[in-house]
Amino acid sequence: RKEVEQDPGPFNVPEGATVAFNCTYSNSASQSFFWYRQDCRKEPKLLMSVYSSGNEDGRFTAQLNRASQYISLLIRDSKLSDSATYLCVGSNYGGSQGNLIFGKGTKLSVKP
Amino acid sequence: NAGVTQTPKFQVLKTGQSMTLQCAQDMNHNSMYWYRQDPGMGLRLIYYSASEGTTDKGEVPNGYNVSRLNKREFSLRLESAAPSQTSVYFCASVRDNGINQPQHFGDGTRLSIL
Repeated sequence: RKEVEQDPGPFNVPEGATVAFNCTYSNSASQSFFWYRQDCRKEPKLLMSVYSSGNEDGRFTAQLNRASQYISLLIRDSKLSDSATYLCVGSNYGGSQGNLIFGKGTKLSVKP
Repeated sequence: NAGVTQTPKFQVLKTGQSMTLQCAQDMNHNSMYWYRQDPGMGLRLIYYSASEGTTDKGEVPNGYNVSRLNKREFSLRLESAAPSQTSVYFCASVRDNGINQPQHFGDGTRLSIL
């Protein structure tokens, strides 16, 4: 099984802090990656897509290092509303079980 | 914008009862998926349907059956519910299974088996 692995956390940070999550993947053929956000007892929602070396959207920056097979998500100026679980997801290229492989998630808690 | 709609949102069953979870999408997507999510386990794929008329097993198919009723609808059936099937179930869809596109999720069905 091709895996996507994340540090489960929790990451407890103060408001305004910068926090980074790393994710490693084992399928070197994976082309696309995604970060999803999941709030407690809610469905996963797409936060960001990463198709090349990286992507930036406001306070969120994703970087992809294909040589080392890891993806990172950087959150700047953390807000209380950023508290959630962040799922790292890779395309299941060549796999037979759906088009995506999900990590188990990293929990972030932003405190006042 | 309905997106992916799941029914019911909550259900409590007794061991041995049967039930069907419904999922429908209005995005004209070809591929649909059923996942279960348990604490500490992340999302695990139960079954998926790459296109209308096809279904395939995922990581944890035992105890479940699926039906791709048409392009819009993909149902998940528990024939004889067991306490181990207590979980949150998510349905998802994507335009095509083979392309590098993110999946869109329904808001889940919380199922408890007593």
